[in-house]
Amino acid sequence: ATQMTQSPSSLSASVGDRVTITCRASQGVRSDLAWYQQKPGKAPKLLIYAASTLQTGVPSRFSGSGSGTEFTLTISSLQPEDFASYYCLQDYNYPFTFGQGTKLDIK
Amino acid sequence: QVQLQESGPGLVKPSETLSLTCTVSGVSMISYYWSWIRQTPGKGLEWIGYIYYNGTTNYNPSLKSRVTISVDTSKNEFSLKLSSVTAADTAVYYCVRTIPPDVWGKGTTVTVSS
Repeated sequence: ATQMTQSPSSLSASVGDRVTITCRASQGVRSDLAWYQQKPGKAPKLLIYAASTLQTGVPSRFSGSGSGTEFTLTISSLQPEDFASYYCLQDYNYPFTFGQGTKLDIK
Repeated sequence: QVQLQESGPGLVKPSETLSLTCTVSGVSMISYYWSWIRQTPGKGLEWIGYIYYNGTTNYNPSLKSRVTISVDTSKNEFSLKLSSVTAADTAVYYCVRTIPPDVWGKGTTVTVSS
């Protein structure tokens, strides 16, 4: 299975900060990479798919980049509602696999 | 809008079969893939498998021997069966429209315990 390694696993930041989360794949996944945000007790919410395409309704402060084995999720200016956990998912190789998550909390 | 809702027992005994159903509303199941994904504090998010509206399936090899996913497009629902469950199968189970997983159900907690 393709292993997805996210870093960092946790991150403390302040409102207004620029934040970057990285996801590395153990083998190439082209651009078949999605990013999710999850808040406690809720289902994950799709933010970005195909590595860089913003899902409808997601604020433009979220952006994604990368292809192959290295990907990044960037939040350009953190808002209070952005403090949550973030996960990457590759849906190129079977079985589809998730990163272990990055917990973003308030500094 | 598209909504998915999981239903089924919240408690299953060890060695028995876990059965969940996902009811889809707001969209036809035709031309989409439909997945089950589970989440545990220890293993995180795990893709269980998907079914295409025509019945084609793809399962995670780690669960393949115990999983069956079926679909009934006339009822707009799809189902998960996981046999011979153990405590390790205790998780929040989500039904999800795929690919990529874009619309998720709220999730249902299933506990395996005697």
